[in-house]
Amino acid sequence: SQQGEEDPQALSIQEGENATMNCSYKTSINNLQWYRQNSGRGLVHLILIRSNEREKHSGRLRVTLDTSKKSSSLLITASRAADTASYFCATQYGNNRLAFGKGNQVVVIP
Amino acid sequence: ETGVTQSPTHLIKTRGQQVTLRCSSQSGHNTVSWYQQALGQGPQFIFQYYREEENGRGNFPPRFSGLQFPNYSSELNVNALELDDSALYLCASSRQDRFDEQYFGPGTRLTVT
Repeated sequence: SQQGEEDPQALSIQEGENATMNCSYKTSINNLQWYRQNSGRGLVHLILIRSNEREKHSGRLRVTLDTSKKSSSLLITASRAADTASYFCATQYGNNRLAFGKGNQVVVIP
Repeated sequence: ETGVTQSPTHLIKTRGQQVTLRCSSQSGHNTVSWYQQALGQGPQFIFQYYREEENGRGNFPPRFSGLQFPNYSSELNVNALELDDSALYLCASSRQDRFDEQYFGPGTRLTVT
């Protein structure tokens, strides 16, 4: 299975703090993506990093990818209450499918 | 919000029944993928449809089947429902040359009693 595993599973932080989540995967990938999900609804794409990239930024998000360790991290800086959600990493394989991890529940306390 | 819509929003069925879920893809997208997300888990790939044919399938039994129509909308059919089929069903649309850009709908919450 390509399924990623996130660490930690649940995170509770104060507004303004940074939140870091990690993800590991098992085999070669084309790219790795991070998604956010609010209250068990649809997934919102946050950021994609390709296998030949090591770091990528988008607004308050910073993603790193270490293909030698088969791992990625997502950093959310200066967290806000609106960042409260579940965050999933997903690897793309077989050209057309995504394999998701179990997700991180992040709670940002105002 | 993405342009992907799903219906119905919620559905309650009895074990053994059949269910059909619907998905309309975003404009310009000709590929639809379906995912099952059990409570507290990440989404699991069910299958993908492109040009009205199945284009890849995950580890799901044949009682999970689908259709894609000429307008690229899609249906997911599940026969002989089991309690473990209770989940959020998500569809995602994309262009066939950009599978890395999948846009997800809000999902259908299926409860099997």
